Amino acid sequence: EPEVTQTPSHQVTQMGQEVILRCVPISNHLYFYWYRQILGQKVEFLVSFYNNEISEKSEIFDDQFSVERPDGSNFTLKIRSTKLEDSAMYFCASSEDGIYGYTFGSGTRLTVV
Amino acid sequence: DQQVKQNSPSLSVQEGRISILNCDYTNSMFDYFLWYKKYPAEGPTFLISISSIKDKNEDGRFTVFLNKSAKHLSLHIVPSQPGDSAVYFCAASQGDDKIIFGKGTRLHILP
Repeated sequence: EPEVTQTPSHQVTQMGQEVILRCVPISNHLYFYWYRQILGQKVEFLVSFYNNEISEKSEIFDDQFSVERPDGSNFTLKIRSTKLEDSAMYFCASSEDGIYGYTFGSGTRLTVV
Repeated sequence: DQQVKQNSPSLSVQEGRISILNCDYTNSMFDYFLWYKKYPAEGPTFLISISSIKDKNEDGRFTVFLNKSAKHLSLHIVPSQPGDSAVYFCAASQGDDKIIFGKGTRLHILP
């Protein structure tokens, strides 16, 4: 069964460093998303991406964040200068129709030290 | 291999009746289970959870049942209301490890 894969599963980075989280969505999906969940808190929407551009983003998704689909298969989330409060589980998801059907990846746990 | 399975992609229920959403898992080490609700074009929002040491957790109209021997959990919504129409994701985790989501069940409440 097709899956959304995320790498790495765990990432530890020093505060102020850039980090790139990678996702490979399901191949025929057209809509892509990033979410995050700070430990003990709810899942928060970060950004949605369709037709090679951001279609929606939350307040969390500030200038430190960017997304890219560099080669038609990967979907990346970059955090330019990580802060301690960026420590969270980051989930990628993709959707065929952008309305109901979502498939989540299993997440990347980012720890900023 | 999917560790968390929601085998019904969609479900239609009459308003006022009980909605039952099912979820199966394969990893017996999961110790915490969650249900998320998602409206179109929005992110998932946490609904209710259950620890593996319990077999039932209730919060208002929502009840989650856990059957560890069958590796099965279900979400009951009673009575179902129009605002309950959404996609419901079952998720499971082991300790502080990552959450594994199912593929979701779309619930449609009929008037």
